[in-house]
Amino acid sequence: AQRVTQPEKLLSVFKGAPVELKCNYSYSGSPELFWYVQYSRQRLQLLLRHISRESIKGFTADLNKGETSFHLKKPFAQEEDSAMYYCALSGRAGSGGYQKVTFGTGTKLQVIP
Amino acid sequence: SQTIHQWPATLVQPVGSPLSLECTVEGTSNPNLYWYRQAAGRGLQLLFYSVGIGQISSEVPQNLSASRPQDRQFILSSKKLLLSDSGFYLCAWRERGGTGANVLTFGAGSRLTVL
Repeated sequence: AQRVTQPEKLLSVFKGAPVELKCNYSYSGSPELFWYVQYSRQRLQLLLRHISRESIKGFTADLNKGETSFHLKKPFAQEEDSAMYYCALSGRAGSGGYQKVTFGTGTKLQVIP
Repeated sequence: SQTIHQWPATLVQPVGSPLSLECTVEGTSNPNLYWYRQAAGRGLQLLFYSVGIGQISSEVPQNLSASRPQDRQFILSSKKLLLSDSGFYLCAWRERGGTGANVLTFGAGSRLTVL
């Protein structure tokens, strides 16, 4: 079974402060992990994926298989980072090679000016 | 380029009435298609997925059904809506391979209010 846990519903930080959005997962195989973001009045969209190992808008996330975590980090929060963030896991489900994508409950990031 | 359309954007329906939400994808062929429901505090709940025409799998038992009459069309339906069906419904598609594999692209969503 696949499970994604985001323990924080709301995270409030001051502008310029570091940000860490927590994500833990449960999956028996080799997962692919993602962070999606939804800004106000915009579509849910991909922020980054662990296999790309890239920094997007200053955000990074490292897959830690030992701790089964994929926390999202940014050293200095900006007001435009305020949004809803979802951690997601893609893994094979069933015998047909179907890729099931499971999302966490989301964390609302509020950056205080 | 690929685009995904959902309609209607907003819908208010009485309890017991039928439902039809439509999702179409352009610029790709044979995509995997998904219906999710987004609810505050519950994240995105996968409702249905489809790997091809007429191939629908359900993730959770519920009052809803899905159909895929054409390669790039995915429809979410109900014969009789319940109050608990209210929510924000998102359609998404996924490439089968290439650099975009396993990345979901979402539509703008359909907000359903059942009264």
